[in-house]
Amino acid sequence: QSALTQAASVSGSPGQSITVSCTGTSSDVGGYNYVSWFQQHPGKAPKLIIYDVTNRPSGVSNRFSGSKSGNTASLTISGLQAEDEADYYCSSYTSSVSYVFGTGTKVTVL
Amino acid sequence: QLQLQESGPGLVKPSETLSLTCTVSGGSISSSTYYWGWIRQPPGKGLEWIGNIYYIGNTYYNPSLKSRVTMSLDTSRNQFSLKLSSVTAADTAVYYCASHDATVVTPGDNWGQGNLVTVSS
Repeated sequence: QSALTQAASVSGSPGQSITVSCTGTSSDVGGYNYVSWFQQHPGKAPKLIIYDVTNRPSGVSNRFSGSKSGNTASLTISGLQAEDEADYYCSSYTSSVSYVFGTGTKVTVL
Repeated sequence: QLQLQESGPGLVKPSETLSLTCTVSGGSISSSTYYWGWIRQPPGKGLEWIGNIYYIGNTYYNPSLKSRVTMSLDTSRNQFSLKLSSVTAADTAVYYCASHDATVVTPGDNWGQGNLVTVSS
């Protein structure tokens, strides 16, 4: 299974909104509403911030939101803050009864 | 609140078997509430799902690693483990253990801190 495709980097100024995209196929992203997003700060373990395309775990800021259209899922961060600077990974359940991660996007707050 | 902690050797020789254990506190691995899994991340690279195991022993593996992976549960110690055979330098990575609620379809909603394993002679 091939990794889901993400842009290598996205940047924005404090207060702005940015969108991170994640493109797969009909065998993963397009076939299931089981897309997750993870935030990873340097040297730390990933943290789940979105699951089932749009749901936020308890305690995650409502500035993070998810969506999906066809084979592409998106993570939007609104009101960008310095603490949002991190790597972001998408993940999807697949037809192989497994999970596949995205290539990762580095978000920079200018 | 579940807490997970990986343990195992930090250095493994090529062609040998990598063995890691994840100790769980704050919950029971015998509970139907959770799946238990492993994810790895080569230095400076992205995440790769290795597989997971359910409390009754059902296992699900990454198709690209399936021939070399074995996961198991040790209910007496509240631990679960990973074995990866015939390792090469490409298996050098930080290995994370993770859990997720059985009602949530995700690789992990609770992660350990990670254990760096280097494959080298």
